[in-house]
Amino acid sequence: DGGITQSPKYLFRKEGQNVTLSCEQNLNHDAMYWYRQDPGQGLRLIYYSQIVNDFQKGDIAEGYSVSREKKESFPLTVTSAQKNPTAFYLCASSISSGRFVVEQFFGPGTRLTVL
Amino acid sequence: AQTVTQSQPEMSVQEAETVTLSCTYDTSESDYYLFWYKQPPSRQMILVIRQEAYKQQNATENRFSVNFQKAAKSFSLKISDSQLGDAAMYFCAYRTVIQGAQKLVFGQGTRLTINP
Repeated sequence: DGGITQSPKYLFRKEGQNVTLSCEQNLNHDAMYWYRQDPGQGLRLIYYSQIVNDFQKGDIAEGYSVSREKKESFPLTVTSAQKNPTAFYLCASSISSGRFVVEQFFGPGTRLTVL
Repeated sequence: AQTVTQSQPEMSVQEAETVTLSCTYDTSESDYYLFWYKQPPSRQMILVIRQEAYKQQNATENRFSVNFQKAAKSFSLKISDSQLGDAAMYFCAYRTVIQGAQKLVFGQGTRLTINP
């Protein structure tokens, strides 16, 4: 079955540590996205990538980094510079759209807790 | 920049009744798309319905329909014959394009409870 997988489902981190969240898709989508979800707030865009080896900052990129070495993979690193990293992280993908609207498909998410 | 506002943090409805969730947005664009996403307790985001701004006809998907008022920048979701499985967080989202990339701007969400 085609879809998006995120791992791990739950992640605990000590303050000052970097941690990497995995996102893999087998939908053959060119575009991939990372969102952060906090209680009482909607999803906010962290980074997005339209093609391999290229990515752009979203609205809240500070303290995060990404890479896009393979079409199917878009890992997110939460660095120690992120002041409040405890949140739910969602990865999404879509075909490249240009001006046309396309559906973004979401993964099941990773819950990150900083201890 | 576009903004999306959902003014109802929580709503509840009796099973089989109808409920309407509100959403307003702000934009200077004339051509855009709007979405409603559902996030059940599993936290998987599911697309419920979408509306093209250039279409005057309101979108409908089975028991889900929208009331799109472009001049008022309002985009409400109506759920008819509510079912227990409709219980979830509902997010309104606005779609814009930046440098050829599709970007979604989400509202704060409305938690919908279905009372049996």
